[in-house]
Amino acid sequence: QKEVEQNSGPLSVPEGAIASLNCTYSDRGSQSFFWYRQYSGKSPELIMFIYSNGDKEDGRFTAQLNKASQYVSLLIRDSQPSDSATYLCAVRGGADGLTFGKGTHLIIQP
Amino acid sequence: DAGVIQSPRHEVTEMGQEVTLRCKPISGHDYLFWYRQTMMRGLELLIYFNNNVPIDDSGMPEDRFSAKMPNASFSTLKIQPSEPRDSAVYFCASSLGPEQFFGPGTRLTVL
Repeated sequence: QKEVEQNSGPLSVPEGAIASLNCTYSDRGSQSFFWYRQYSGKSPELIMFIYSNGDKEDGRFTAQLNKASQYVSLLIRDSQPSDSATYLCAVRGGADGLTFGKGTHLIIQP
Repeated sequence: DAGVIQSPRHEVTEMGQEVTLRCKPISGHDYLFWYRQTMMRGLELLIYFNNNVPIDDSGMPEDRFSAKMPNASFSTLKIQPSEPRDSAVYFCASSLGPEQFFGPGTRLTVL
């Protein structure tokens, strides 16, 4: 049984600070890793994905992957109130479907 | 492109009734996914298709659930008979590469 674990939160971060979101996964065969953002009542939308160990940066967002520790994280720099949402970590193994964590609820305090 | 289209957006039905959810993927995408989201279980993959062929239906909860994709532009998820525990938001997503694009979802309430 593939599992993806996230702290449900809420995680409260002051505006302008760095928000750090974490995720662990159980399947060592997992090959690609995704971060989705979901606003309340809306559908998930992709922020970024990462395949290789290390960091991947895209604007204010940085994804970090450590396959040895089975750990993925997402850093959001200069957090804005519009970043307040639920962040879903997703993992894909050899097949094409995604296994999602239950998400972390992030609140950016103005 | 209009994105992934789902209908209906909201469905309220009574236990025992048949429910059909519909999805139109983004034109040109070769993968289509059906997910279900609840507070308790989060977002779960039910079934996915590649080039209209079902590849993995291991997430379908039981025989009451069935899905079809008769052509590249249309898919249905059917629940017969429906039960209150089927109440959830059902998302359809499509992809051509690694990114899956989600539709707006169908909020199903079974009374």
